Amino acid sequence: TQLLEQSPQFLSIQEGENLTVYCNSSSVFSSLQWYRQEPGEGPVLLVTVVTGGEVKKLKRLTFQFGDARKDSSLHITAAQPGDTGLYLCAGRLSNSGYALNFGKGTSLLVTP
Amino acid sequence: NAGVTQTPKFRVLKTGQSMTLLCAQDMNHEYMYWYRQDPGMGLRLIHYSVGEGTTAKGEVPDGYNVSRLKKQNFLLGLESAAPSQTSVYFCASSYSGHGNGYTFGSGTRLTVV
Repeated sequence: TQLLEQSPQFLSIQEGENLTVYCNSSSVFSSLQWYRQEPGEGPVLLVTVVTGGEVKKLKRLTFQFGDARKDSSLHITAAQPGDTGLYLCAGRLSNSGYALNFGKGTSLLVTP
Repeated sequence: NAGVTQTPKFRVLKTGQSMTLLCAQDMNHEYMYWYRQDPGMGLRLIHYSVGEGTTAKGEVPDGYNVSRLKKQNFLLGLESAAPSQTSVYFCASSYSGHGNGYTFGSGTRLTVV
């Protein structure tokens, strides 16, 4: 059972376009993180959100944690080829655990 | 540079052979994890450790063993490799288990033939 569902699975856009990636669950998370992974490398942490309704900005990337702490979104403004990669959301369940549960990822390709 | 180092980066094994993957971190992190990443399956937790001398099973532990004899090292062993264990293996570490992000290694690509 996949705790975190990401959509879309694949996204191919042109430089300058905006996009939103979604991460949804029926479970409540104490915190949620977004990572970006490039081919041949491990995921790299972009942001952690912990409060329902929280919005964080990282340059052209905007992250939002849902009010009920069950979902999150990543919005990229004016995408650039350097944004190309696999975007993963990961959450830590409220009622347990030490380890993160990962979504399957959204593969983003930004062409010039 | 501080971080997580995995060795080897690539390995080809024959079915039935054994091997150990080594993960070392120099950030004094308490928590360490082993994940495998497969196409269409995402990252799945194999085993993890919340401190030196402790280990616990994750989502897909069968066929793997781990040890954490030193705080900075986390070893993943395959006793008798199977083709189903062909995957990319990632080690990660974190300062604690609550709200802290993971630092990942660059992965080990393992092929079992």
